[in-house]
Amino acid sequence: SQQGEEDPQALSIQEGENATMNCSYKTSINNLQWYRQNSGRGLVHLILIRSNEREKHSGRLRVTLDTSKKSSSLLITASRAADTASYFCALTGNQFYFGTGTSLTVIP
Amino acid sequence: DAGVTQSPTHLIKTRGQQVTLRCSPKSGHDTVSWYQQALGQGPQFIFQYYEEEERQRGNFPDRFSGHQFPNYSSELNVNALLLGDSALYLCASSYNTGELFFGEGSRLTVL
Repeated sequence: SQQGEEDPQALSIQEGENATMNCSYKTSINNLQWYRQNSGRGLVHLILIRSNEREKHSGRLRVTLDTSKKSSSLLITASRAADTASYFCALTGNQFYFGTGTSLTVIP
Repeated sequence: DAGVTQSPTHLIKTRGQQVTLRCSPKSGHDTVSWYQQALGQGPQFIFQYYEEEERQRGNFPDRFSGHQFPNYSSELNVNALLLGDSALYLCASSYNTGELFFGEGSRLTVL
């Protein structure tokens, strides 16, 4: 399969807590990207990590990549109610393949 | 600078009909990809257009076809609609296989 698989499928946390979601994949990748989708809307790009990078930060987001384990994780620190959304990892070669996503609910 | 725009936003069709969805890419982007997203699922890749040619295609039947125009805008056509074609259809543009910029989608309901 060329798509990533996110884990967990659903996550519910209190505002202020950290949220961690994982992505596992089976193929070689050029880079891996994380996207966010609010219900019924288009996806929004969050962060890209290249295959030769191990960690990347962007604001409250921290992404790690372990190519030996073929896995990536997205950490959202100090979560807010507005972070409630679905999060997808996308494997990128010539194409972008999305998994089924992690549905995050942040309770105020 | 306008982002990716899609039209129509919502539409209802009956089985057997045909539908055309339209997409204008973000300024400066030359590549358009189409995705189908069923409720509760991730986006599934339909096909990608670059320089007016279908560059790659996902696992979708020939009922799904597309076109890219010289101004890089694109259309997705679906013939002989089935109930299972009901979904959110997302268009995404990109340049040089960089990040994807998505439109808000066209919600298709087939009755």
